[in-house]
Amino acid sequence: GDSVTQTEGLVTLTEGLPVMLNCTYQTIYSNAFLFWYVHYLNESPWLLLRSSTDNKRTEHQGFHATLHKSSSSFHLQKSSAQLSDSALYYCALSNTGGLSGKLTFGEGTQVTVIS
Amino acid sequence: DPKIIQKPKYLVAVTGSEKILICEQYLGHNAMYWYRQSAKKPLEFMFSYSYQKLMDNQTASSRFQPQSSKKNHLDLQITALKPDDSATYFCASSPRPNYAEQFFGPGTRLTVL
Repeated sequence: GDSVTQTEGLVTLTEGLPVMLNCTYQTIYSNAFLFWYVHYLNESPWLLLRSSTDNKRTEHQGFHATLHKSSSSFHLQKSSAQLSDSALYYCALSNTGGLSGKLTFGEGTQVTVIS
Repeated sequence: DPKIIQKPKYLVAVTGSEKILICEQYLGHNAMYWYRQSAKKPLEFMFSYSYQKLMDNQTASSRFQPQSSKKNHLDLQITALKPDDSATYFCASSPRPNYAEQFFGPGTRLTVL
């Protein structure tokens, strides 16, 4: 079945420094959609970025990611972290060819930005 | 105004009891989902419904039963509760099942004693 791997469980960094969260995935389907969801404590998870296009950079709210199908990766980056970026970040995978709409999530990376 | 409502926000139950988690969405979506997040585990897909019909069931136990009384409702009935069922349960929706983006509710945190 599908799987998503996020190698960092906890990331603590200083405000103003760059952020990079790793995400790799496995799927047998070629039409995969990759997502980054953000989950603040006591709120709903919400979509930060999504992509299904190989080698195309997608950006939102200062974050960016590029889907690389050759390496099955969708790493999340930001050039300068802000205190408000402290949250739980999930990488997720969906195969739009299927009917279930199932999202497969990675284990999440808890990001804490300190001043 | 919240677009996806989950009730209750917190729920405490005793082992062996039965509870129903409520989910209503006001986004006009035709597909709804349940996910579970147990302690120190990722969000885990449970069910998907499309036009009030079950599309996928990834739960191993029949103690978990989704119920769709209306197009914009997808409740989750859990019977014979166990402490391992303690988790936050998230409802989500999307315009259709093969639409890439899903929108999540705030979750119901269930604790089974």
